[in-house]
Amino acid sequence: AQSVTQLGSHVSVSEGALVLLRCNYSSSVPPYLFWYVQYPNQGLQLLLKYTSAATLVKGINGFEAEFKKSETSFHLTKPSAHMSDAAEYFCAVSDKETSGSRLTFGEGTQLTVNP
Amino acid sequence: EPEVTQTPSHQVTQMGQEVILRCVPISNHLYFYWYRQILGQKVEFLVSFYNNEISEKSEIFDDQFSVERPDGSNFTLKIRSTKLEDSAMYFCASKARTGLYEQFFGPGTRLTVL
Repeated sequence: AQSVTQLGSHVSVSEGALVLLRCNYSSSVPPYLFWYVQYPNQGLQLLLKYTSAATLVKGINGFEAEFKKSETSFHLTKPSAHMSDAAEYFCAVSDKETSGSRLTFGEGTQLTVNP
Repeated sequence: EPEVTQTPSHQVTQMGQEVILRCVPISNHLYFYWYRQILGQKVEFLVSFYNNEISEKSEIFDDQFSVERPDGSNFTLKIRSTKLEDSAMYFCASKARTGLYEQFFGPGTRLTVL
């Protein structure tokens, strides 16, 4: 069984500050890992994904995440927060051996960016 | 840019009533999914659908739930007799093909059961 834990349901940063959103996973097989973002009244949008090709993954809007197998982590970072980054962020894991590839999500982290 | 659409955006129903949530996946996609998010909780997988049949379902997806792709473009989720605990945001998603491809999500339907 797979699971994802996101530490911190709410994170608040100042504009221009580093964004760090934490995600730890549990999987019995090598995982596929994803970060999705949800803006108010919108669906989930893929930010980036880890597919085992490279441990440091770059996504849209300046976000990146690093896969660390030894720590079972896939934390999301952005060097400088922008007001438009305020949203809810979800980490998710998929079992690469299941063709249907259901996503198992974490609880989500609400990011607030203060001016 | 192609997108997944869902209707209605908000559905209010009485307990015990049947509801049908509708989704139009991206046109050339082959895999279809329903997820739900109860307020304040995580997004949960309900069911995946491929080649006109359910490929996987979660323990949440009991006999009260059914899915259908009636006409090659729509993908529906039916809840036969709604319960208060079915109140949630329901997301439809679609994926192009087998393997690690992105699941594209719709904006969701908020279901409120009174």
